[in-house]
Order: sequence, then C-alpha cells, then structure tokens
Amino acid sequence: GQNIDQPTEMTATEGAIVQINCTYQTSGFNGLFWYQQHAGEAPTFLSYNVLDGLEEKGRFSSFLSRSKGYSYLLLKELQMKDSASYLCACLDSNYQLIWGAGTKLIIKP
Amino acid sequence: GAVVSQHPSWVICKSGTSVKIECRSLDFQATTMFWYRQFPKQSLMLMATSNEGSKATYEQGVEKDKFLINHASLTLSTLTVTSAHPEDSSFYICSARDRENSPLHFGNGTRLTVT
Repeated sequence: GQNIDQPTEMTATEGAIVQINCTYQTSGFNGLFWYQQHAGEAPTFLSYNVLDGLEEKGRFSSFLSRSKGYSYLLLKELQMKDSASYLCACLDSNYQLIWGAGTKLIIKP
Repeated sequence: GAVVSQHPSWVICKSGTSVKIECRSLDFQATTMFWYRQFPKQSLMLMATSNEGSKATYEQGVEKDKFLINHASLTLSTLTVTSAHPEDSSFYICSARDRENSPLHFGNGTRLTVT
C-alpha cells in the first residue's frame, strides 16, 4: 500500500531551527510537496521536490532523497507565526496526490 | 499567480436544504480540481477529483448523489451538498492544478454549519 509517515507533533523555540521529516512508500514517484496549514485555514504551497537534493526558499528549505524515500522540511529563524501544521504529500505514478497526516509544529517563545 | 477563489467562505443552512460551493481558478486553467473535507483536528480527506468536461471520480465512502460536483469549464468547479444534515458540517476545501505535476493550489475553504 501507499504510505506517508511524518511526526504527529513537534515543539521548537522561537529563533531556532527545526527539521520535519517525511518518509514515503508509494507506487511510483513523481515528486513531493510540502504545505503549511494554519488552524482553521486552507493549506498553502511551500515547496516541490522531484530531484534529489536541497531546495532553498528563504527561511524554508526542503530536501529529497528518492533512494531513501525520505524528505525533510527545514525551517530556520523560527517565528511564532510558523506555528502550524506541515503536510507532506507525494505524487504517485498516476499523479495521484498521497497525503501525510501532517506535523503540528508548536513554537514557544 | 496561481490563485484559487472559493465562495462562500462560510455558510449556515438548515437541515434538509442544499448548499452550493464554487471554486474558481483565477489566473490559470485548472484541468483537474479536487474537493477535500476536513473535520476539526483531523487530516484532509479527499472527497472527489474532477476533470473538466467529465464526471467526477469519488473516493470510497463519499456519496456521489449527495455531493454533486460539476466541472463545467477549465476555471470553475462547483460542489453542491444536497439535503444537508448536521453531520455534513465541516470545512470544505477545493484545490486545482493545471498540469499533473503542478502543485495543488487551494481555495480558502468553506466552513459549512448545518443546523
């Protein structure tokens, strides 16, 4: 079956760095997305990785290793507004999007 | 770019009535649109996938006669919740993409409360 695993919840301190991991097992692979979802709001797109390596976008970076079925989202210089759920999602061979359950990130001052 | 507009943002209706939710892609052509439902503190749940000009594909357990989806153009899809009941109260979110490997862009969601 297809499966995406990510931690349920993480806590970090304002100004620090946090890494949210995601492992996946899918029928084929056409890329991995990270989304941010604040409570009561719709998800917003953060990043897309289809090739191995690190993609940097401001304070946020996303890494992919296809051979390991692994990705992480790295958030630097954490701000209180970064408190949200972070969703990992993969495109399988049929371009169906498989969602992880999300990681709730709590930022403490 | 890649803006998806969803309307209304919230709606309260009486049990037994129908509610229509619109989803529009404002600056791109959405070949595929997706409708999700999310209950409080739970994950996104895909309800159905719709391609322009064809019938929607519903996920297992989603009643197609209750949740009517129309994707009449490349920029508009609608979800109609028919004969709504209190258990249909939820956060409904549409999303759209122009190509298979494009990111999904989400509307702001519609919070439906059925009394």
